[in-house]
Amino acid sequence: KAGVTQTPRYLIKTRGQQVTLSCSPISGHRSVSWYQQTPGQGLQFLFEYFSETQRNKGNFPGRFSGRQFSNSRSEMNVSTLELGDSALYLCASSTGAARYNEQFFGPGTRLTVL
Amino acid sequence: GDSVTQMEGPVTLSEEAFLTINCTYTATGYPSLFWYVQYPGEGLQLLLKATKADDKGSNKGFEATYRKETTSFHLEKGSVQVSDSAVYFCALSGILTGGGNKLTFGTGTQLKVEL
Repeated sequence: KAGVTQTPRYLIKTRGQQVTLSCSPISGHRSVSWYQQTPGQGLQFLFEYFSETQRNKGNFPGRFSGRQFSNSRSEMNVSTLELGDSALYLCASSTGAARYNEQFFGPGTRLTVL
Repeated sequence: GDSVTQMEGPVTLSEEAFLTINCTYTATGYPSLFWYVQYPGEGLQLLLKATKADDKGSNKGFEATYRKETTSFHLEKGSVQVSDSAVYFCALSGILTGGGNKLTFGTGTQLKVEL
C-alpha cells in the first residue's frame, strides 16, 4: 500500500505570496492532519480533517487554511507569506479520528520564504 | 493543555550500549502515547504506541511502557546500532472536545550512535 504523498517536496516563495500544498493520504484513510515543523517551535499542529470537515484547529493565524476533498486528499493554503512561515510542513493520515488511531506521516514539503 | 516533556539531546552512545530516552506528559484522562522517529531529510515514522495504562509498545527492539502513576512513557533499547541514529519524538493524543486526533509532540531527542 502506498504511503502518504506530499507535493511539492520543495518550494521557494517570496514574502506576500501565497502557496498551496497538497497531501494524498494512504488509501482508505479518512483523517488527514497537518503539522508545521521548525527548529524554534518544533512540531506544531495546524488542523485536522475528517470526511471533508475540519475537526480541530491549532493556534495559527487565519492566513493558514485547509480543506479536504471527497477522496480524502487534502490541501493547505498559506496566504500573505511571512519569513517565519519557512518550515517543513508535514501531512499525516489515519484510518479514523479517534485518539488511539496512529497517524502516518508523509515526507513533508519544505517551504522557504525569501 | 496537553504537553510532553522529553530529555534534551543530543545523546551520544557507543554501538551496543543501552538506550533510555525519558518522556513525561501532562494530559487529562487517558491519552494515547506514541514514539516517532525522524531520519535526516525525512518525515516522521511511527516507532511504537500504547493506548492505555500499563500497555507496552514494542518494535525493532525498542520498548516503552505507559505508566499512568508517573505519567511517563520512556523509550528503551537494549543494544543500539549506528543505524538508530536519528531524532526521536514522544507524542500524545489526548481528549478533545468534539473528538478528533491531534498529536502534541515533545521537542525531540537527537541520538547519535558511534562505532
